[in-house]
Amino acid sequence: AQSVTQLGSHVSVSEGALVLLRCNYSSSVPPYLFWYVQYPNQGLQLLLKYTSAATLVKGINGFEAEFKKSETSFHLTKPSAHMSDAAEYFCAVTSNNDMRFGAGTRLTVKP
Amino acid sequence: NAGVMQNPRHLVRRRGQEARLRCSPMKGHSHVYWYRQLPEEGLKFMVYLQKENIIDESGMPKERFSAEFPKEGPSILRIQQVVRGDSAAYFCASSPRVSNSYNEQFFGPGTRLTVL
Repeated sequence: AQSVTQLGSHVSVSEGALVLLRCNYSSSVPPYLFWYVQYPNQGLQLLLKYTSAATLVKGINGFEAEFKKSETSFHLTKPSAHMSDAAEYFCAVTSNNDMRFGAGTRLTVKP
Repeated sequence: NAGVMQNPRHLVRRRGQEARLRCSPMKGHSHVYWYRQLPEEGLKFMVYLQKENIIDESGMPKERFSAEFPKEGPSILRIQQVVRGDSAAYFCASSPRVSNSYNEQFFGPGTRLTVL
């Protein structure tokens, strides 16, 4: 069985500060990992994905995530937060067919 | 090149009525997934379908909920005799078939169901 755990349901940062959203996974087989972003009243948009190539994955909007097998983590980072980054972020894991999502982290960006 | 389409975007039903949610996958995609998002919660997997087949329905409630993906037309998620607890956002995703690899899923905008 696969699962992901997102630590912190709410994260608040100041504009220009580092964004760090945490995700730990559990999988009995090599996982594929994803980060999605959801803006209010919209669907999910893929930010980035790890598919066993490079462990440091760069995504859209300046986000990146690093796959660390020893820590079973796939944390999402962005060096400098922008007001437009305020949204809900979901980590997800899949090995083939179904995808399991974390509970989500709501990011607030203060001016 | 249209993305995943869902309709209606908003649906209001009274308790006891039926709700039908439709999902048209991206062109060329033969796999459809349905998820439910309750307020302040993440997405919960409900069901995975291919054309005319239910592959995995482990996340579907045992009663009142059903899903289909016919040979022609959109996938339908059907909720009979809705209750207030069914109020949620229902998301559909589709993926192409990629053998021996992950199936990247592309999400629709969701249908927000409100049960009065």
